[in-house]
Amino acid sequence: RKEVEQDPGPFNVPEGATVAFNCTYSNSASQSFFWYRQDCRKEPKLLMSVYSSGNEDGRFTAQLNRASQYISLLIRDSKLSDSATYLCVVFSGNTGKLIFGQGTTLQVKP
Amino acid sequence: DVKVTQSSRYLVKRTGEKVFLECVQDMDHENMFWYRQDPGLGLRLIYFSYDVKMKEKGDIPEGYSVSREKKERFSLILESASTNQTSMYLCASSPPGGFQFFGPGTRLTVL
Repeated sequence: RKEVEQDPGPFNVPEGATVAFNCTYSNSASQSFFWYRQDCRKEPKLLMSVYSSGNEDGRFTAQLNRASQYISLLIRDSKLSDSATYLCVVFSGNTGKLIFGQGTTLQVKP
Repeated sequence: DVKVTQSSRYLVKRTGEKVFLECVQDMDHENMFWYRQDPGLGLRLIYFSYDVKMKEKGDIPEGYSVSREKKERFSLILESASTNQTSMYLCASSPPGGFQFFGPGTRLTVL
């Protein structure tokens, strides 16, 4: 079983739609959680950190459920420019490493 | 603006050649990492370093070595390149326990 699992998609949605991605992790000792965005042929860039209380940044909302060991990302009012791969990332304190999910691909269509 | 730079964006090498990939960060970060990214496999950690002259094996270190002589520079070495090392190589740096900043990547092709 992979340490961080995501549905690879692709998710094809029309502009203006709301879309949600989930991610599960296996190590209950995981300490920090992030969503990265990666555009085609570019490097991953931090989109947002994920906090236990949930956090919002404009159209993006991230949530963490420690009991069920999953993280979610909600995108409201999708834009064409949101088309990218979204990577779920977990920091494990006992290994000191970031563990990356395979990513979920989003295609927003006009 | 924070910056991680990599020596080449595209590189073509022949089987058996020794390949050096250089990474430099200007954020005074202690931690540096080398990953490779392949379709369907995601990002896989090759080596990482928490301090100068220190290195730790990641998940797929075979066929690679690293060097960290200065805090800002972390080099990945392919001693004898093989075709299965054709990949996108990404360098990253971070403060302790923090999120990672990535370089633009080097797309290596081994013929």
